Amino acid sequence: DAGITQSPRHKVTETGTPVTLRCHQTENHRYMYWYRQDPGHGLRLIHYSYGVKDTDKGEVSDGYSVSRSKTEDFLLTLESATSSQTSVYFCAISEGTGINEKLFFGSGTQLSVL
Amino acid sequence: GENVEQHPSTLSVQEGDSAVIKCTYSDSASNYFPWYKQELGKRPQLIIDIRSNVGEKKDQRIAVTLNKTAKHFSLHITETQPEDSAVYFCAATSNTGNQFYFGTGTSLTVIP
Repeated sequence: DAGITQSPRHKVTETGTPVTLRCHQTENHRYMYWYRQDPGHGLRLIHYSYGVKDTDKGEVSDGYSVSRSKTEDFLLTLESATSSQTSVYFCAISEGTGINEKLFFGSGTQLSVL
Repeated sequence: GENVEQHPSTLSVQEGDSAVIKCTYSDSASNYFPWYKQELGKRPQLIIDIRSNVGEKKDQRIAVTLNKTAKHFSLHITETQPEDSAVYFCAATSNTGNQFYFGTGTSLTVIP
C-alpha cells in the first residue's frame, strides 16, 4: 500500500462546517496529491505538494486548501463544506525523488456533506 | 493542461474474450501513461504503465500500446476472467509538470 494512511475513512458533516482530511506517508516521498472521485468524472486533482510548504493547485481547487508542514503529512481542508463536496477523496504519493514517477493511492475517505 | 479522453465508458465481454480500452491525450509533452484498476469500494491500483520511448509493454494477460503520433494509447486484456471486472482508468503525465491527468474510467464486466 506504499505506506499511505488516510483519516478518517468516513465522515458525515453539515453544510458550512470546516473539515480536515489527513494523509500520512511513511516512506519520505516528495510528491503528495489530493484527488476527488465522482461518478462520470474519474479522478480529478485538487491540490498537490512537491515538498514541505510547497503546494500548488490542481484542476478543481476552489473551496479547498492544503498544508504540508512535515514531509509525511498532507492535509486537505474544506473551509466551509458544501453539498457539492460530497465525494470520495484519495490521497496519492509519487514514488521516487523526481516527477513522473509511479503514483500510488491511499484507501480513500468517503465524505458526505448534508 | 492535458486532456485525457477514455472510451468506452462501459464494456461487457464474455469470459475468455479480449477487452480493449482506448485513451487519447492532447499534450504532446506527455511521456508517461499508467493504467489503474479499481474494484468496487477499493483504491485505484496501478496495473501497468508505459513510457513514451516504448511502443508496447506486456505483463501476462495485460498489454498496453502507445501511438505517440496519434496521441493515443490502449489497454488490452486477453483471456478475460470474472476477476477482471472492475473500473479501469488511464492517465497521462509529463516530466515538465507534476500533475497526473486521468480519463473518466471504463467499467468492465466479464460475464462467466
